[in-house]
Amino acid sequence: RKEVEQDPGPFNVPEGATVAFNCTYSNSASQSFFWYRQDCRKEPKLLMSVYSSGNEDGRFTAQLNRASQYISLLIRDSKLSDSATYLCVVNEGGTASKLTFGTGTRLQVTL
Amino acid sequence: NAGVTQTPKFRVLKTGQSMTLLCAQDMNHEYMYWYRQDPGMGLRLIHYSVGEGTTAKGEVPDGYNVSRLKKQNFLLGLESAAPSQTSVYFCASSYRAPRNEQFFGPGTRLTVL
Repeated sequence: RKEVEQDPGPFNVPEGATVAFNCTYSNSASQSFFWYRQDCRKEPKLLMSVYSSGNEDGRFTAQLNRASQYISLLIRDSKLSDSATYLCVVNEGGTASKLTFGTGTRLQVTL
Repeated sequence: NAGVTQTPKFRVLKTGQSMTLLCAQDMNHEYMYWYRQDPGMGLRLIHYSVGEGTTAKGEVPDGYNVSRLKKQNFLLGLESAAPSQTSVYFCASSYRAPRNEQFFGPGTRLTVL
């Protein structure tokens, strides 16, 4: 079983739609959680951290369910510029704060 | 600030050749990392460093060596390249903090023939 699992997609949605991505992780001791965005042939960049209480940043909402070991990302009012691959990332703690990356969910927003 | 930079951006090697990838960061970060990214595999940690002069193995260290002689630089070496090392290599760095964000370089696309 992969440590961090995501649906690879692609999710094809029209502009203005709401889309949700889910992610599950296997290590119950994981300490912190993130969503990164990766554009084609570019480096990953932090989109947002995920807190137990849930957090929102503009059109983006992230939620964490520790009991189910489940993380979600909701994008409202999708824009063409949201087209990218979204990586679910888990910090399992310990020295060096090593991150474990999911393989990513690809989003394509169309006119 | 340039952030995290990587050289070279592209490289083609023949099997058995050696090369060194250079990562530099100007954010005074303590931690630095080398990853490889392959289709369908996600990013996998090769080696990492928690400070100048210290390195440790990650998930897929075989065939690679690293050095961190200066805080701002982290070098990844391939002593005898193999086709299985064809990949995109990303360097990242972060502060020493529990919820630290990792900042990535633009990547090096390596092809081993």
